Amino acid sequence: GQQLNQSPQSMFIQEGEDVSMNCTSSSIFNTWLWYKQEPGEGPVLLIALYKAGELTSNGRLTAQFGITRKDSFLNISASIPSDVGIYFCAGRNSGGGADGLTFGKGTHLIIQP
Amino acid sequence: EPEVTQTPSHQVTQMGQEVILRCVPISNHLYFYWYRQILGQKVEFLVSFYNNEISEKSEIFDDQFSVERPDGSNFTLKIRSTKLEDSAMYFCASNKGPNEAFFGQGTRLTVV
Repeated sequence: GQQLNQSPQSMFIQEGEDVSMNCTSSSIFNTWLWYKQEPGEGPVLLIALYKAGELTSNGRLTAQFGITRKDSFLNISASIPSDVGIYFCAGRNSGGGADGLTFGKGTHLIIQP
Repeated sequence: EPEVTQTPSHQVTQMGQEVILRCVPISNHLYFYWYRQILGQKVEFLVSFYNNEISEKSEIFDDQFSVERPDGSNFTLKIRSTKLEDSAMYFCASNKGPNEAFFGQGTRLTVV
């Protein structure tokens, strides 16, 4: 099946620092999504990207859909303690029908005050 | 803000027993999904449901799994004969269109 390689696996940063994480795939995806998951909760959608080259922001979060459609990155600027969690990229190859999302393994963000 | 709700939040069952996990998707959504997440691992797609039928299913979704939308509001996942390896968080998700998915809080299934 399709696989997403997400990196880094974990990040230990100081409050106020910027964060960058990315996902790559050997397959083309037509939709890239970024989710955040906190312990005991379901994934929460942060940003959705639908078009190659698209750059979208949501507050301090910025994500881009790579030109090749095989990668995406998520940046978080000026991190704050509530940014702690696991960030997942997810892709969908809309070959028709309601295809499921393929998730990356997640980036665990830990912020030291 | 409308949200996907799942019940129960935690289910413990004996191996070999049947379980039904319940979900109420967001009311005007048309696409419904089940995903699972084994502890510490990534979220994995199980099945999607649209227009009262399964649209796609993964290789995880074998004959012991089934889904149903018994009325206009509920969406259920049944596991016929649970195995130890079925222990995981099960997430229901829904959306108006097929591109995104809005997730519920999950049901933690523990098979003993």
